[in-house]
Amino acid sequence: NAGVTQTPKFRILKIGQSMTLQCAQDMNHNYMYWYRQDPGMGLKLIYYSVGAGITDKGEVPNGYNVSRSTTEDFPLRLELAAPSQTSVYFCASSYAGGEQFFGPGTRLTVL
Amino acid sequence: DAKTTQPTSMDCAEGRAANLPCNHSTISGNEYVYWYRQIHSQGPQYIIHGLKNNETNEMASLIITEDRKSSTLILPHATLRDTAVYYCIVRVAPNYGQNFVFGPGTRLSVLP
Repeated sequence: NAGVTQTPKFRILKIGQSMTLQCAQDMNHNYMYWYRQDPGMGLKLIYYSVGAGITDKGEVPNGYNVSRSTTEDFPLRLELAAPSQTSVYFCASSYAGGEQFFGPGTRLTVL
Repeated sequence: DAKTTQPTSMDCAEGRAANLPCNHSTISGNEYVYWYRQIHSQGPQYIIHGLKNNETNEMASLIITEDRKSSTLILPHATLRDTAVYYCIVRVAPNYGQNFVFGPGTRLSVLP
């Protein structure tokens, strides 16, 4: 199993650009999550999904959108990138809300 | 979910046991104690969790006090690769929709 995979690993955006961060898991987990981590800080939940077709907001959803059309994939969309969205983004998955398995992260810089 | 308090940082000599404390005085009866760690620039890694009994796995041991208001994660023989930020989290499990709240954690430095 590859576990949780994320692409890209690094990305630089200009203010106002948009992009999609990809996340996929091959563990047949029903729960998936997106977190962001700013330098020196803990993780903050952006969005989560308890199954295909179901998503909900986390602590810091503004400026982001998600969709969950399949069990395996949970992409995160940034529509109008802002410098405040410079961060490391982690995707995670779990079975029935138990312990979470994290991907390697995407480091995003918005200039 | 109950709030947790951890020391900001700790040092441990290589080969010695690392004991990481966590206070969770407002923990509810149905809340579990989870431990994760994050090695520099990587995604967090699950270590162990427990409800009220002590737990042990191949990575660590978790000691929970009888009143459940505090716990200690023990890495029995710390290595340099155990240098990481360790997060103590309390939450209901299984949990339908709530996230893990990652606070600042404890930065453990294992010294040669």
